[in-house]
Order: sequence, then C-alpha cells, then structure tokens
Amino acid sequence: QVQLVESGGGLVKPGGSLRLSCAASGFTFTDYYMNWIRRAPGKGLEWVSYISQSGDSMHYADSVRGRFTVSRDNAKNSLYLQMDSLRPEDTAVYYCGRGGRMTTVTTAWGQGTLVTVSS
Amino acid sequence: EIVLTQSPGTLSLSPGERATLSCRASQSLTSTYLAWHQQKPGQAPRLLIYGTYSRATGIPDRFSGSGSGTDFTLTISRLEPEDFAVYYCQQYDSSPLTFGPGTKVDIK
Repeated sequence: QVQLVESGGGLVKPGGSLRLSCAASGFTFTDYYMNWIRRAPGKGLEWVSYISQSGDSMHYADSVRGRFTVSRDNAKNSLYLQMDSLRPEDTAVYYCGRGGRMTTVTTAWGQGTLVTVSS
Repeated sequence: EIVLTQSPGTLSLSPGERATLSCRASQSLTSTYLAWHQQKPGQAPRLLIYGTYSRATGIPDRFSGSGSGTDFTLTISRLEPEDFAVYYCQQYDSSPLTFGPGTKVDIK
C-alpha cells in the first residue's frame, strides 16, 4: 500500500526558511517521479515542483523558482522541499505526490503539511 | 504556460443525475496528458483519470474522461452521495504543470 507522509510544516516569519520532508513506502521509490503540490487557504491546487527518478532533473513553478529547491534521497525513500525567502503567499497545505514511471502526473497523494508564513 | 479553465464553477445536482465537467486548455496539448483529481473537504486529493481516458486504480466505472486538443470532459454517469466534491483537471503535457481552478459538485 502506497504511503506518503509529509512533515516539517509550521509557522515561519516572512523571509524565513523551512524544509519539508516526505517519507515514502509501499512502492519502489526509485521508479517514480515525485511532486510537490500546494493548496492555499480558499484556493485551488497549485503544482510547485517535480524531480526525476535519479534526481538529475528538477522543474519549478515560476512562483517559487529561485527560492525553493526540491531533492530526494533514494537510499532513504525520501523527498524534500527546501523553502527559502518565504512569503505570506506561500501559506498553504503542501502535498507530496508520487508521479508516474514515465510521466509526472500525481498518482498518489500524501495527507499534506501546513506551512504558515506570518509575522 | 498552459492555462486551464474549468466550467461550470459550481454544479448543483441530485444523486443519480449525470454530471458533465469541462476543462479547456489555452493551447492544444501535444499528448493525452490530462488528468482529473477529486478533493473532498479535509482530505487529500485523489487521482481519478489520467491520460485523458484511463481510470486510476479502484475508481468506479461511473467516472469517465474524454477529449483532445484543448477540450476535455469528465463525466460522472450517475452521482453517488460520495461524489459531491471539488474536481480539478491537470495537464502534465509540458512544464510548468498546471491545474484548473476546480469545479465544485454540490447537492441540489
């Protein structure tokens, strides 16, 4: 059974940093693209980033490029999102998503972790 | 960037009725890489349809997807009580990946 468990969310001041983690189990982690997606309060889903199976290809939404960095540790079956220079508009529930083997579509979702950026 | 527009914003229907949700892309997709996700309040989203037509594992056959180019449709043939939720289309044809704003299906 696929399990994705996010952690690391919390309250941070504008300009601060936070590192999210996602622990994956129930599938062969190295076979899949991995995604981060977020949902701000009262808004819809917004794709944030994806990373390839080997970690050598990363893509970002324009809204986070240059501030967020996605990475993965295949030995630990873990996905990470380093978030720097945080802004109030980054406040959202952040979801870890398993992609596909050949495509980036999110095929399984974690329960999410809440990030609040406020002074 | 491919912008997705969904219509209607809200669909008010009764259980047993047919639901037709539309997703329009700002430019033609070069592939069938269009997905639909369902989200209920307080829950994580769930993948329903990928590759325009294919149902994800465990999704009942009352859910079906169709379309090509710029126009895509999610059809729920007969609404069950558990189907009242928000539905998002997503394109993964090109980066940045994008979601539509969602269609809320609520009980009439």
